[in-house]
Formats: sequence, C-alpha cells, structure tokens
Amino acid sequence: DVKVTQSSRYLVKRTGEKVFLECVQDMDHENMFWYRQDPGLGLRLIYFSYDVKMKEKGDIPEGYSVSREKKERFSLILESASTNQTSMYLCASRIGTSEYNEQFFGPGTRLTVL
Amino acid sequence: SQKIEQNSEALNIQEGKTATLTCNYTNYSPAYLQWYRQDPGRGPVFLLLIRENEKEKRKERLKVTFDTTLKQSLFHITASQPADSATYLCALVNQAGTALIFGKGTTLSVSS
Repeated sequence: DVKVTQSSRYLVKRTGEKVFLECVQDMDHENMFWYRQDPGLGLRLIYFSYDVKMKEKGDIPEGYSVSREKKERFSLILESASTNQTSMYLCASRIGTSEYNEQFFGPGTRLTVL
Repeated sequence: SQKIEQNSEALNIQEGKTATLTCNYTNYSPAYLQWYRQDPGRGPVFLLLIRENEKEKRKERLKVTFDTTLKQSLFHITASQPADSATYLCALVNQAGTALIFGKGTTLSVSS
C-alpha cells in the first residue's frame, strides 16, 4: 500500500516564525501536492510538484513556498507564519504516468499559529 | 475558472436507506471525476473514478453516475450503515490536467 506520511499531526507556532511541514511518500510517485482544508472552504491547492526540483503554484500560493529536493519528499514552508494560516494541511501524492490515477493523502498536520 | 459544488453540506439518513450525494460543476468539461471519503481528523481516501465516457460505475454498495450534459455526478450508497458516516468529496482534474480540484464535501450521518 502507498504510504504518505507527514512530519507532525499537530503543530503550534507563533506569528512570524518560519514553519516547515514535511511530507514523505514511499511509492516512487512523481506528483506531490499540498492542500489546506478549512471549514466551509474545503480543500484548496497550495502548490504541487510533478518532478524533483519542479513546482507549480496552485490556487492559493501566497505566503507559502515549497521544496522538492528528493522524489519522495515534498516540503511546505511558511516563511513568516500568520494567524490566517491556521489550518489543516494535507499532503498527497500520485503516480505521474497517467492523469487518471487517484491521489493518496497523508493524515494531515493541524497547524495553529498564535 | 472551474467551479465544483456539492449541494448539501450535510445529509442525515436512516440505516438501510440509500444515500444520494450530488456534485455539480461549471465552466469546464473534465475527462473524469473522482469521489473520496474523509473521516474526521484524517486525510481523504479514494473511492471511485468515473470517466466522461462512462455513465455509471459500481463498487460494492457504491454507485457513481456521470452526466456530462447536466454537468453532474451522483454518488449513491445503498443499504447504508452507521459506518458509512463520513464526509464525501468529489474532485475534478483541473483544465491543465495537473491537479485535482475538490468540492467542499457532504457530511453524511447514518443513524441506526
């Protein structure tokens, strides 16, 4: 089975801190994604990557950056955390050979910015 | 831009009944549509994919339809059980074919 793991289930940070959220998948998937999920707004795509060192902006990239130095790892970076970035962050991966394949999600990181 | 809507935020039904969830989309004709299940505090889990040339797809007690004329997908759970209680998300691939766009979800509660 595909396994997508995220570095923390819960995280509390202070405004202005630099925050790293890590995601690792073990199935050699080419594509990886970061979403945030908020009540009433659903899942929104922040960034995605279709290969090592490649990244594309999603629908809400402002305030975030990403890094993909290795195929299995995709990091989301909050350069200067703000309270409006308090959210559930979900990482996903997908095999890149066919656009029809499903996405596999990690368990999520619930980030609180105080 | 593409828009995807799940008409009901919440649906409450009794055990044994059929649950029907609706997903509508606009401004776009996706090649396929997916349905996911999400339990509280967990990431979504893939359930079914239906392609634009498929009218209906089944998996055990689940059935999905895809009407490209109405721009609508229906998701049915027959003989529903309390264990089916969860949030169900529909998702479309974006126009570039690079990522999924999700609806806000419908939270299904099945009471015994």
